[in-house]
Amino acid sequence: DAGVIQSPRHEVTEMGQEVTLRCKPISGHNSLFWYRQTMMRGLELLIYFNNNVPIDDSGMPEDRFSAKMPNASFSTLKIQPSEPRDSAVYFCASSFDRGVYEQYFGPGTRLTVT
Amino acid sequence: AQKITQTQPGMFVQEKEAVTLDCTYDTSDPSYGLFWYKQPSSGEMIFLIYQGSYDQQNATEGRYSLNFQKARKSANLVISASQLGDSAMYFCAMREDLLPGGGGADGLTFGKGTHLIIQP
Repeated sequence: DAGVIQSPRHEVTEMGQEVTLRCKPISGHNSLFWYRQTMMRGLELLIYFNNNVPIDDSGMPEDRFSAKMPNASFSTLKIQPSEPRDSAVYFCASSFDRGVYEQYFGPGTRLTVT
Repeated sequence: AQKITQTQPGMFVQEKEAVTLDCTYDTSDPSYGLFWYKQPSSGEMIFLIYQGSYDQQNATEGRYSLNFQKARKSANLVISASQLGDSAMYFCAMREDLLPGGGGADGLTFGKGTHLIIQP
């Protein structure tokens, strides 16, 4: 079974450029989460969706960050314009919203902004 | 205030010994879930074990068990018979349930992690 798929796996961009990260959740899961991992701040929840609807975006750092989930099998996280402090590993995770509903993580996208 | 506290930044353990990784949490919600994830050097996040706040028994999954002490708000991970492949970062995480009695997916709050190194 395919797990959570993220692309690209690595992204190097210059400050000021737009960056789009993509995620395909596990088929059948109805909750999707975006996390960011840095050495300084650890793992932080940025935003999550339930049934394609954004539920909590309080973790989004600022207006430069936006996320969409146009359908049950695709989500994007966009940073525009990017800054060096956005350099991090961005994880997408998905789960059911009932039962134990452990979150399954994708392999992550390592973003470097120079 | 930190919701998840992992007090051991790093641990060295001899192969085949048992390991206990500490985790304390802070919540006023009656319904919540506690998770442990493993992150090897390759970077992926691997789900290990889950404990619900209403579960009467401690969770077990193979060599992993969770020592859940609700009154003390602790959820320590125990790895029995450690192996070299257990070397990794280990994260404790909590989900505060949105609905009474559980349910309603919410994001996880993670601790800072413990870097476990198993020595031969």
